[in-house]
Amino acid sequence: ETGVTQTPRHLVMGMTNKKSLKCEQHLGHNAMYWYKQSAKKPLELMFVYSLEERVENNSVPSRFSPECPNSSHLFLHLHTLQPEDSALYLCASSQDRSWGFPGYTFGSGTRLTVV
Amino acid sequence: AQSVTQLDSHVSVSEGTPVLLRCNYSSSYSPSLFWYVQHPNKGLQLLLKYTSAATLVKGINGFEAEFKKSETSFHLTKPSAHMSDAAEYFCVVSENYGGSQGNLIFGKGTKLSVKP
Repeated sequence: ETGVTQTPRHLVMGMTNKKSLKCEQHLGHNAMYWYKQSAKKPLELMFVYSLEERVENNSVPSRFSPECPNSSHLFLHLHTLQPEDSALYLCASSQDRSWGFPGYTFGSGTRLTVV
Repeated sequence: AQSVTQLDSHVSVSEGTPVLLRCNYSSSYSPSLFWYVQHPNKGLQLLLKYTSAATLVKGINGFEAEFKKSETSFHLTKPSAHMSDAAEYFCVVSENYGGSQGNLIFGKGTKLSVKP
């Protein structure tokens, strides 16, 4: 375990379902991120939270809705997804973004399949 | 704006031979550069990072990378490949401006295969 835990590890959902992905970190980090990893494409940054405030939304469709209730938890709420949303969703955290930045710590991801 | 290009989508080596994974970057500001590794069905693990200190950076598992500003490169090397090195490797750049770090921008990845 890296210190960033994602649940569930695998999720299969229909296009009309509503589900949520959960990410939890116990590293004392104050920034958290959602990335999407699709086959044969670079990792795509979806959302950035810093000090529990959303600081970036990279033109993500509204069917993806993030929530950061505190600095240790990050959720991604899903509804009316499309088959092309099937991917590995990775959560990451970091300790601020100042000079000497150590990089991100990633979770193992949730493998999402939309049927 | 910053970007990163991994020149090979797939590299195959024999166990015990050297590994070279190539990465070129572009950045308007002072970049930080990282290599991450992803084993099958796992998240990404940080191998090493460059943040304006020594240009030759040593990482975990015997990997190292050299920052060459004149060539805008940050190639990853290892003298002798091990079977457990088979994975996907990502070169990553972020820009430092005003003492703050920009978001990580990932390359498309290089899949490393190691033959016995």
